[in-house]
Amino acid sequence: QQQVKQSPQSLIVQKGGISIINCAYENTAFDYFPWYQQFPGKGPALLIAIRPDVSEKKEGRFTISFNKSAKQFSLHIMDSQPGDSATYFCAATLNSGGSNYKLTFGKGTLLTVNP
Amino acid sequence: DTGVSQDPRHKITKRGQNVTFRCDPISEHNRLYWYRQTLGQGPEFLTYFQNEAQLEKSRLLSDRFSAERPKGSFSTLEIQRTEQGDSAMYLCASSWWASPGTQYFGPGTRLLVL
Repeated sequence: QQQVKQSPQSLIVQKGGISIINCAYENTAFDYFPWYQQFPGKGPALLIAIRPDVSEKKEGRFTISFNKSAKQFSLHIMDSQPGDSATYFCAATLNSGGSNYKLTFGKGTLLTVNP
Repeated sequence: DTGVSQDPRHKITKRGQNVTFRCDPISEHNRLYWYRQTLGQGPEFLTYFQNEAQLEKSRLLSDRFSAERPKGSFSTLEIQRTEQGDSAMYLCASSWWASPGTQYFGPGTRLLVL
């Protein structure tokens, strides 16, 4: 059972464009949704995260939009740059109330930003 | 460098050999996680520690796998009698008690079993 579904699998964007990656989750108990960026041969790096009590969070060029009723959230990268070319993973976990807090990841989106 | 570190970064071994990986978490983090990532997939949870106690193991963690965190600081992950299917990136992450979901990952150990 895939608890976090991510799309698209790959994405090509022109420099300066907007990159949009979508995720949907099944477990309504999830209360913390981070996004990670991973370059080849490196570990995932935490980009930005959101809790379900807000609908949007922005940090620099990165914005998370969250729709609790639809159980969906998305990452928007504004003014995409070639240096943003990487694999992006959405994830979900419980961040409160006890539990092991393990992250459940989507399958990833390979983003290519053309110059 | 105050981030999560892992050693070795790369390991090539022959099938049937034992291997051990080490993870040093961010110093003030009490939670430590091990994940496994295969090509084209997201990381999958293997096990986690709160201080020195191992509190959960995934069904992915067969009895050939063992993890320890003896003093609540660094952790080791050992794979006995390696199989080709064990080839993957092994990732360690740590988090602070106040925000356990905010996990910071190390660079990983890439294992290749021949």
